[in-house]
Amino acid sequence: KNEVEQSPQNLTAQEGEFITINCSYSVGISALHWLQQHPGGGIVSLFMLSSGKKKHGRLIATINIQEKHSSLHITASHPRDSAVYICAVTSLQGAQKLVFGQGTRLTINP
Amino acid sequence: DVKVTQSSRYLVKRTGEKVFLECVQDMDHENMFWYRQDPGLGLRLIYFSYDVKMKEKGDIPEGYSVSREKKERFSLILESASTNQTSMYLCASINQENYEQYFGPGTRLTVT
Repeated sequence: KNEVEQSPQNLTAQEGEFITINCSYSVGISALHWLQQHPGGGIVSLFMLSSGKKKHGRLIATINIQEKHSSLHITASHPRDSAVYICAVTSLQGAQKLVFGQGTRLTINP
Repeated sequence: DVKVTQSSRYLVKRTGEKVFLECVQDMDHENMFWYRQDPGLGLRLIYFSYDVKMKEKGDIPEGYSVSREKKERFSLILESASTNQTSMYLCASINQENYEQYFGPGTRLTVT
């Protein structure tokens, strides 16, 4: 079993829909990251959080430390949101290495 | 504007060649990382470095070595490239104060 599990692996939705991507982890963490990667592009950090909730534009990230679970929400989704979204955790062990989920491929159709 | 840069976006090499991938960050970060990304396997850690001349193996170090002679530069070396090393290679550095990671644009390496 992977230490970081994401669901769903693939998600297709229509423009305007509310999107939720889930991430569960099984290790102790100092932080959880949501990353975005567009096709052929580099990786961009969207959020880093260790508790509560963060919002940036149409994106919202939440984390429940007790349940070891995080969600990434996208409101009023747009085709430009189509990308791979990766959940990663900074483990308490090791030199701040990231442990990655497998990623969620999101496609928003116009 | 903080930056992690990688020496090449695309690289094509022949089997058996020695390959150098270079990564430079301008944020004075101590910790730097090399990952490879493959379809279906996600991102996997090859090596990381937590200071100049210090390095540690990640999850898949076989066939790779690294060099960190200066704080800002972390190089990944393929001593004798093989076709199974065809991949996207990503460098990253971390801000130790808030754990935020910064990624380079990636190098897509093809070994023929």
